Amino acid sequence: AQSVAQPEDQVNVAEGNPLTVKCTYSVSGNPYLFWYVQYPNRGLQFLLKYITGDNLVKGSYGFEAEFNKSQTSFHLKKPSALVSDSALYFCAVTMGASNNRKLIWGLGTSLAVNP
Amino acid sequence: DAGVTQSPTHLIKTRGQQVTLRCSPKSGHDTVSWYQQALGQGPQFIFQYYEEEERQRGNFPDRFSGHQFPNYSSELNVNALLLGDSALYLCASSLDGVREKLFFGSGTQLSVL
Repeated sequence: AQSVAQPEDQVNVAEGNPLTVKCTYSVSGNPYLFWYVQYPNRGLQFLLKYITGDNLVKGSYGFEAEFNKSQTSFHLKKPSALVSDSALYFCAVTMGASNNRKLIWGLGTSLAVNP
Repeated sequence: DAGVTQSPTHLIKTRGQQVTLRCSPKSGHDTVSWYQQALGQGPQFIFQYYEEEERQRGNFPDRFSGHQFPNYSSELNVNALLLGDSALYLCASSLDGVREKLFFGSGTQLSVL
């Protein structure tokens, strides 16, 4: 079955340290991959996406993600975490035929950055 | 430029009632998608509207229906409400195409008692 997994429910990191939020997927074909962030009582905000090309994608707020086709992963990273990065992070991946692609979502990872 | 706006922000209903949620997309966007997000879960795709037609649908029963108007705004209707329908309902707008990023509203928190 096609799916998206975020293996960690919660990630804790100290301010100033690098952070990684993991995402793996199992879909056929060449998927498009996205990261979104959700702050408390807010809708989701787009961070970055991978469609094609360079495997390292840079996005908003200093975040980046690396597409690894062999490992079917798209981990979100940031070199130096801020307390304000504390939020819920969602990975989303397209699945389906080219004329009927749908977006499927991971369950989310709660990131806590400690001062 | 206003982003995606949803109304109302909160709603309390009782089982068996019907509800209508509204969404105005970001200016210039022609595609509207609706999601249900239960507490502690990721968004679940309900359906997507483009050019006033339902283009795609997720695994939701027929109690969930929608509409898109010529100005691209959209409504989500849920009939015969169940306790399990309690959730945050998110509207997202985008340009047409699955490569495009979604812009989300702040959502409508629906509580069914």
